[in-house]
Amino acid sequence: GIQVEQSPPDLILQEGANSTLRCNFSDSVNNLQWFHQNPWGQLINLFYIPSGTKQNGRLSATTVATERYSLLYISSSQTTDSGVYFCAVLWMNRDDKIIFGKGTRLHILP
Amino acid sequence: KAGVTQTPRYLIKTRGQQVTLSCSPISGHRSVSWYQQTPGQGLQFLFEYFSETQRNKGNFPGRFSGRQFSNSRSEMNVSTLELGDSALYLCASSLVGYGLAGGSGSLLTDTQYFGPGTRLTVL
Repeated sequence: GIQVEQSPPDLILQEGANSTLRCNFSDSVNNLQWFHQNPWGQLINLFYIPSGTKQNGRLSATTVATERYSLLYISSSQTTDSGVYFCAVLWMNRDDKIIFGKGTRLHILP
Repeated sequence: KAGVTQTPRYLIKTRGQQVTLSCSPISGHRSVSWYQQTPGQGLQFLFEYFSETQRNKGNFPGRFSGRQFSNSRSEMNVSTLELGDSALYLCASSLVGYGLAGGSGSLLTDTQYFGPGTRLTVL
């Protein structure tokens, strides 16, 4: 089945720093999602981004579908950005329709 | 607008029992998706219901089932519980969910809103 790998697995940064999280996938997909799970377990859907670039405030995402990767950029990190960031690929015509990566755990120090 | 609610928030069951979890979506949302999160397997997609029909299903055994009512509230049921079913079960609601757009095959997408989850412990 399709493989989804996220890197780095863990990231510790000082408040105000920028970060880039990566999601590699092994086959072409219908779509790709980025999620944030805060330290209390609440999951938030950040972006759907099958290709191209989207921005929402300090967060932006870019997917290069032909090279099978997506990047999530967080600028001017705040402590509220801490948590785990997941990407998920959507492959609706196959049995494994939605495959999640293992996540990147981000810890922003005040 | 009220958010997505899940009940119960915590549940303890023993092996062999069955359990029913409930998810009330945001008013007006017709899609409810269910996910399982465990330390070992991570996040996994269970199924999606749209307008009372199961539209998409992940790779889970038949012990996992669900349904959706006319008011879009959804329940998921796990029968013959196993220790490995201990997990956080999350549901998410959205307007269109994971639907394909007509003949184009492209995926309709809109923002999903997640509930707080139900933490199930199987002893």
